[in-house]
Amino acid sequence: AQTVTQSQPEMSVQEAETVTLSCTYDTSESDYYLFWYKQPPSRQMILVIRQEAYKQQNATENRFSVNFQKAAKSFSLKISDSQLGDAAMYFCAYHYGGSQGNLIFGKGTKLSVKP
Amino acid sequence: NAGVTQTPKFQVLKTGQSMTLQCAQDMNHEYMSWYRQDPGMGLRLIHYSVGAGITDQGEVPNGYNVSRSTTEDFPLRLLSAAPSQTSVYFCASSFSDRASYGYTFGSGTRLTVV
Repeated sequence: AQTVTQSQPEMSVQEAETVTLSCTYDTSESDYYLFWYKQPPSRQMILVIRQEAYKQQNATENRFSVNFQKAAKSFSLKISDSQLGDAAMYFCAYHYGGSQGNLIFGKGTKLSVKP
Repeated sequence: NAGVTQTPKFQVLKTGQSMTLQCAQDMNHEYMSWYRQDPGMGLRLIHYSVGAGITDQGEVPNGYNVSRSTTEDFPLRLLSAAPSQTSVYFCASSFSDRASYGYTFGSGTRLTVV
């Protein structure tokens, strides 16, 4: 069975600094997708970044980038120039089963940003 | 464009009561799903649907029923609420051939069963 593990329940970063959130997953599939979702106190789930497993190039979205290590089954999220608005729960998620599969979530990492 | 709309946003139930959590989307998405979020557990899939008339169970389906009579609506029914069902519930949707691009989530329903 596929699993997603986030080993850091809580992380803290100073404003304007860089922080990396860790995620590992377990799968025997070759075709899958990985996501990072942000959940601020408003409870809304916001897609931050997406990675296709067959692409070696790491995805980037402005200040957010990933380090995708397929052989190690690792998918970490780097947030550069951290801002107060980045404070939130971050969930790593794995999508399997082609276009009609389902998302499996990790347990989340709570990120605090200190001014 | 309202996206995914969940109602109610908050609900308190007594043990044994029944209720329906509503989910509606206006994006013509074929795929819809229900998740529950518990502290320290992430989001876990309850039920999902790949189109009108088609539903299937997820990881934690016990105590919940679903039906999908239209593309737009995917209600989640609690037949006899239990304190273990206290949670935040999320509905999500996507196009069936683009689910790998990520889902659109509703804003959640916080349910407390006393």
